[in-house]
This record gives sequence, structure tokens and C-alpha cells, in this order.
Amino acid sequence: GIQVEQSPPDLILQEGANSTLRCNFSDSVNNLQWFHQNPWGQLINLFYIPSGTKQNGRLSATTVATERYSLLYISSSQTTDSGVYFCAVHNNAGNMLTFGGGTRLMVKP
Amino acid sequence: GAGVSQTPSNKVTEKGKYVELRCDPISGHTALYWYRQSLGQGPEFLIYFQGTGAADDSGLPNDRFFAVRPEGSVSTLKIQRTERGDSAVYLCASSPTGARYTDTQYFGPGTRLTVL
Repeated sequence: GIQVEQSPPDLILQEGANSTLRCNFSDSVNNLQWFHQNPWGQLINLFYIPSGTKQNGRLSATTVATERYSLLYISSSQTTDSGVYFCAVHNNAGNMLTFGGGTRLMVKP
Repeated sequence: GAGVSQTPSNKVTEKGKYVELRCDPISGHTALYWYRQSLGQGPEFLIYFQGTGAADDSGLPNDRFFAVRPEGSVSTLKIQRTERGDSAVYLCASSPTGARYTDTQYFGPGTRLTVL
């Protein structure tokens, strides 16, 4: 099946700093989503982004499908950004999402 | 509108017991998914329903796991003869149509299952 790798696995930031999270996938995909899992375990949709660039407030994402990667940018980080960020993809094999291992982000005040 | 809801939020059971986990999808969503998330890992797919039928159950780990969605809305994940290795957070998601190329999946808060 398709492999999804995220980097870095862990990230500690000072409040106000910027960061880039990366998601690499091993095969072509038709759908890619970024999620934030908050400290209570809820998965919150950030972006549906199979290709191109989208922005939502301090967050933006870019997917380059031909090169099999996606990037999530967090600007001016806040303590509420802490949690785990997951990238998940669909491919032709089915409707399920295949998740990466996540990036665990801690933003310190 | 209301999101995906799951009950119970926590379930503690003893090895060998039977458990049922419930998922209420977003109203009108035809596709429903179950995933399992072990500590420190990303969610892993278990089963996908399109309407009342299980369209893909390739992620169910063995025949102790079974899921139903009899009326195309609420779904129940059933685990027989629970084992300690079944301990995890069980997540449910729904999407409007189940279309591969356009659908966004929305997740519930999960049920944390602990098997003693």
C-alpha cells in the first residue's frame, strides 16, 4: 500500500515562531488532507488539498502532487497550535485515508 | 450543524468480554468510516460503509471485529472476545458521498477502549 512519511516527528517552537511541516507519499494520490489533533484527541480538518496552495489565516498548505509531497506552514505560532499534525492521503486503492505518523508540535509561551 | 458523535467516550472492559461502540455521522452523509488509533501513531483504517453496505472491510484485523450500519446512518462497531491488544482509540468519520476524488472526511471525538 501507499506509504506516508511526515517530518519532523517532533517540533518545539517558541510562541511567535514560524514552521514548516512536510508530508511525503510514495504513490500518486487523488486526495490529501491535513488534520490537527488537539490535546483532547479530536481530529480537526485543516485543509483538503490534493494539489495547489490554500491559505486559512495563519496556516497555509501546498501540495506538489507530481513530486509527491505536501507542506503545511504555520506562521506566528500560538500555544493553541500545540498538538499533533497529520497528513492523510487517498489513492486509487480505495476510499480510506492512509495517515502519516504525525508531527508532534509544542508551542511554548 | 452537529458533527460526528461517538459513544461512549471511554470504555473499560475485561479481557474476553464483548463491546459495542456507536457512531452517529453527520446528518445526510452517506459514507461512514471506522479507524483505530494506537498510542503515538496515526489512525489506521478498519472499514468503510457506503449507505448500509460495507464497501470495504479490508482493515478489520480479524473475525472478532464486525460493524453494521443497518439503516444507513448510525453504525456500531462490535468486538468479540476482547484482547489487551485491542486497547486503542476508535475513531469514526463520515463524508458526504464517499467519492474518492472530492470527499472530505470529518472525524468524531473517538472512543477510548481499554481492555484490562
